[in-house]
Amino acid sequence: AQSVSQHNHHVILSEAASLELGCNYSYGGTVNLFWYVQYPGQHLQLLLKYFSGDPLVKGIKGFEAEFIKSKFSFNLRKPSVQWSDTAEYFCAVNKIGAGSYQLTFGKGTKLSVIP
Amino acid sequence: DTEVTQTPKHLVMGMTNKKSLKCEQHMGHRAMYWYKQKAKKPPELMFVYSYEKLSINESVPSRFSPECPNSSLLNLHLHALQPEDSALYLCASSQEGGGGGTQYFGPGTRLTVL
Repeated sequence: AQSVSQHNHHVILSEAASLELGCNYSYGGTVNLFWYVQYPGQHLQLLLKYFSGDPLVKGIKGFEAEFIKSKFSFNLRKPSVQWSDTAEYFCAVNKIGAGSYQLTFGKGTKLSVIP
Repeated sequence: DTEVTQTPKHLVMGMTNKKSLKCEQHMGHRAMYWYKQKAKKPPELMFVYSYEKLSINESVPSRFSPECPNSSLLNLHLHALQPEDSALYLCASSQEGGGGGTQYFGPGTRLTVL
């Protein structure tokens, strides 16, 4: 079974600091990769996704992520965080194949940005 | 438009009640999902409907009964729930009926079982 690991449970940063959240998955086949964000009291929103092509993908709100196939990683980055980025971030992986509905989530990383 | 709507937003029910959660999408998506999310945990898949047919049931207790009346609607019927079933119930949909696409989530129904 595939699994998704997010390295950090809770990250605390000051505004304008750079952010990198780690995500690794354990499935050897073709995958689709996602980062979702859940702001306090709000629903899951798609930040960005990778299906194929350029391994560096850009999402909303200045976020980007890089797919490194050899490392089974899909790390999320932002050069300068803002207080409004305070949220829970989930990495998710979906393996490609017949009936591949299962979206496996990591345990999430809580980001707290201090003004 | 990538909107998935869910009603009600909040629901409090006793263990002997029967209630239903509703989910709706008008994006023409062919797969719809129910997830359960406990506090500070990732969503856990419960059911998947593909082309209005139940494709996946992740060993969910029978006190949860899904229904897909048409391609835009998804219901979750609740009966004889337990307090540990209290959680945020999320609905999602994706365009591809065969899976593998982007799943768009609704705001959820926060369920409390007394």
